[in-house]
Amino acid sequence: EAQVTQNPRYLITVTGKKLTVTCSQNMNHEYMSWYRQDPGLGLRQIYYSMNVEVTDKGDVPEGYKVSRKEKRNFPLILESPSPNQTSLYFCASSLTGVMFQPQHFGDGTRLSIL
Amino acid sequence: AQSVTQLDSHVSVSEGTPVLLRCNYSSSYSPSLFWYVQHPNKGLQLLLKYTSAATLVKGINGFEAEFKKSETSFHLTKPSAHMSDAAEYFCVVSDASGTYKYIFGTGTRLKVLA
Repeated sequence: EAQVTQNPRYLITVTGKKLTVTCSQNMNHEYMSWYRQDPGLGLRQIYYSMNVEVTDKGDVPEGYKVSRKEKRNFPLILESPSPNQTSLYFCASSLTGVMFQPQHFGDGTRLSIL
Repeated sequence: AQSVTQLDSHVSVSEGTPVLLRCNYSSSYSPSLFWYVQHPNKGLQLLLKYTSAATLVKGINGFEAEFKKSETSFHLTKPSAHMSDAAEYFCVVSDASGTYKYIFGTGTRLKVLA
């Protein structure tokens, strides 16, 4: 089954404790992306990757890191999480990053930073 | 720069009546436009996409949207609402500017009354 898998689905942690949210897709997609969803703000793009070893900032990259060492994986790293990073996070992938390519979304990861 | 505005944060309709969710976009280049739906505690599912082949786009579950370049709009409609349509809907724009970003609207929550 074609899917984007995020782990963990839920995480409660404390300020400053490094964490990684994993994302994996099995569709051989080139383009992958991370979003955060906050009430009233919709989804905002954090980082995206056009292909292996190619990443770029979205609209809200501060406080986050990503890497793309393999085509299927695109982890999101919070080196020193803060309470304002409490949010619902989505990973997505598409065949390419060019026009008309819809994205496939994971089920989301709800992060709470205390 | 590209942007998207969803004109209503909440819409309520009675079951069996038409649905209209409004979306205006701004893009310096030919845009790609999408509508996604998010049911409570779920990920995002693609409803339909504008591919430039036709201005009236049909999607899943009876939804359709019309691309109007002169009005920079891409409104989502459905002739007859069903209780299962209650969800949050997002309009998304991506353009050919080379940034490879996807910009989400802030969402419209649709409520369907029995």
